[in-house]
Amino acid sequence: DAKTTQPPSMDCAEGRAANLPCNHSTISGNEYVYWYRQIHSQGPQYIIHGLKNNETNEMASLIITEDRKSSTLILPHATLRDTAVYYCIVRERNSGNTPLVFGKGTRLSVIA
Amino acid sequence: SAVISQKPSRDICQRGTSLTIQCQVDSQVTMMFWYRQQPGQSLTLIATANQGSEATYESGFVIDKFPISRPNLTFSTLTVSNMSPEDSSIYLCSVERDLYNEQFFGPGTRLTVL
Repeated sequence: DAKTTQPPSMDCAEGRAANLPCNHSTISGNEYVYWYRQIHSQGPQYIIHGLKNNETNEMASLIITEDRKSSTLILPHATLRDTAVYYCIVRERNSGNTPLVFGKGTRLSVIA
Repeated sequence: SAVISQKPSRDICQRGTSLTIQCQVDSQVTMMFWYRQQPGQSLTLIATANQGSEATYESGFVIDKFPISRPNLTFSTLTVSNMSPEDSSIYLCSVERDLYNEQFFGPGTRLTVL
C-alpha cells in the first residue's frame, strides 16, 4: 500500500507557483521522498527526490519538514504543460529490488 | 536516463485472444517491472522480472494470466492471456538503473479489449 496521502486535485494559474503537498507520517529513517508525474497517456516521469534537506533541480523544488512527516513539491512557474498527475512516493534508496508503489496522486490542472 | 521502448504502442483485441507486449531497454538492467493502469486509476504493479529466474507476481496477478519472459538483460515480454474487456488498460514496463536509483518508465501499451 502507498504510504503517502495527497489531495486528489488542485488548480494553479499559469505563471504562478504550484505547491503540491504530501503527507508521509509513517516514513522511516532510511526512506526517501520521491516525486513523479504522469502527463496524459505517457509513462511516469521522475521529478525529484530528497531525504531530509530541501532539494532543487531544473524542474522543481522539494521542501521536507523537519520531522519528515510531510513535504511540498513546488513548481515555481507553472505552465500548461505541467498539467499532469503528480505522485509522491516514499521508498528506500539503493533498493533496486523494490519497485515504486503508486498512490492515487494529485491531478494538477494549470489554467491559462 | 534509460531509453525504453514498448511494442505495440496500442492495440484493439477481441475477447478470448492473447497479446504479447515487448519492452526493450537501451542498456543492461537487473530488474524490470511491469505495471497496469486501468482507466482513470493509478499504476498497479503486476510483477517483477529478474533475468534468468521466474517472475515474481503481486497479489491478484497470476502467471497463467500474465506470463512474463526475461531472456536477457535488455528485453522482456508480458503476455495478457485470454483477454476480457476488464483487461483494457495501459501496460507499462519500468526499469531501475543502479547508477541513478531511479525508476524509468516506458511509454506504455494501450490495450482495448472488445
